Amino acid sequence: GNSVTQMEGPVTLSEEAFLTINCTYTATGYPSLFWYVQYPGEGLQLLLKATKADDKGSNKGFEATYRKETTSFHLEKGSVQVSDSAVYFCALSESGGSNYKLTFGKGTLLTVNP
Amino acid sequence: SAVISQKPSRDICQRGTSLTIQCQVDSQVTMMFWYRQQPGQSLTLIATANQGSEATYESGFVIDKFPISRPNLTFSTLTVSNMSPEDSSIYLCSVLRRADASEAFFGQGTRLTVV
Repeated sequence: GNSVTQMEGPVTLSEEAFLTINCTYTATGYPSLFWYVQYPGEGLQLLLKATKADDKGSNKGFEATYRKETTSFHLEKGSVQVSDSAVYFCALSESGGSNYKLTFGKGTLLTVNP
Repeated sequence: SAVISQKPSRDICQRGTSLTIQCQVDSQVTMMFWYRQQPGQSLTLIATANQGSEATYESGFVIDKFPISRPNLTFSTLTVSNMSPEDSSIYLCSVLRRADASEAFFGQGTRLTVV
């Protein structure tokens, strides 16, 4: 079956530090890949996505590249801010419509200190 | 995007009782789903809520424990029945606007504690 493995947290960084959260996946087909973010007290929000190999998703300074050869989708940001403190989830979906199902990693808590 | 209202946002319940969680979407959506997030764990899909028919449950989840209704294209309920402390989790509603959409939207979740 499908699975997502992401870097265990928590991760604590100082403001303006470089962020990497690793994510690797196992899937039988050709999944779409996502990063979701959950800010304190809020619901999950889609941060970025990539639907095919070599695609790069980007949003709010975050980037992730769909690497089929390494089955990875690592999240990066060059300079984090305090407002980036949140839980980040890597996820995949293998198909749409009635078979749609998101498989999530366990989440990584990021805390950014001023 | 889709605006999803989930109620209640949190509750503390006695074991053996049941709780019904509501999910209201601001517009018609094709697909609605219910997820569970146990403490320290990832999100797990419970079931797909089907309009006008029985929900489709994932392995490990059954209708008697988690009955689901979806009377129309904007509303669904999930009931957690005969609760035990192991049911303490965050329950999330999620929607797809179209069958071919790739982005799912989530409600804020219902934090359930069973004592």
